Amino acid sequence: QPQLQESGPGLVKPSETLSLTCTVSGDSISSSSYHWGWIRQSPGKGLEWIGNIYYSGSTYYNLSLKSRVTISADTSKSQFSLKLISVTAADTAVYYCARLKYRPHYYYYGLDVWGQGTTVTVSS
Amino acid sequence: DIVMTQSPLSLTVTPGEPASISCRSSQSLMYRNGNNYLDWYLQKPGQSPQLLIYLGSNRASGVPDRFSGSGSGTDFTLKISRVEAEDVGIYYCMQAIQTPLLTFGGGTKVEIK
Repeated sequence: QPQLQESGPGLVKPSETLSLTCTVSGDSISSSSYHWGWIRQSPGKGLEWIGNIYYSGSTYYNLSLKSRVTISADTSKSQFSLKLISVTAADTAVYYCARLKYRPHYYYYGLDVWGQGTTVTVSS
Repeated sequence: DIVMTQSPLSLTVTPGEPASISCRSSQSLMYRNGNNYLDWYLQKPGQSPQLLIYLGSNRASGVPDRFSGSGSGTDFTLKISRVEAEDVGIYYCMQAIQTPLLTFGGGTKVEIK
């Protein structure tokens, strides 16, 4: 069973950039079988999808965050990353990385593997 | 954007009794292949979400058969035939018709009496 592990600073100052990395073990992020994504959960709130990256390098973002988000991948390290610029207190959340088992026109199996989540607080 | 609406917001259930959660989407989630692109996830207290149901009615690996998903188009239901104490948590539906663009419902909190 593959494992995903988020890492990054737990505290970010307002207006700065939030940077997180998800390290994937037991699987290949170069596989055409999966997308790799980020989801967040603000305190007391529900889940919000942030975006995904496919093995081809194609990225897909939540329209509400698109102007501030970049997701990238480093296949040599089996990692993919999230950058969110110009953060505010509203970006305080638990950030999860997850695997979307989906191959266009072939199959779909949902977000079947999740990381444990990492808490990011935006505060001065 | 597709809006996902869940009801009720919360549910308190007696162990052994059934439970049902509704999810409605603002657009049809049925693709031309006949599949409904609707998932259900459970987030147990202090844990990451876990996949329960994908494509409307398919149980994920390891999910007990007391969980079932049904529905089509814009109306979906998650049923727990006999609730157990370990089923407490927040249940989310998620549309995937626009995969890889995804949208979650607001969640339904299930508690045990």
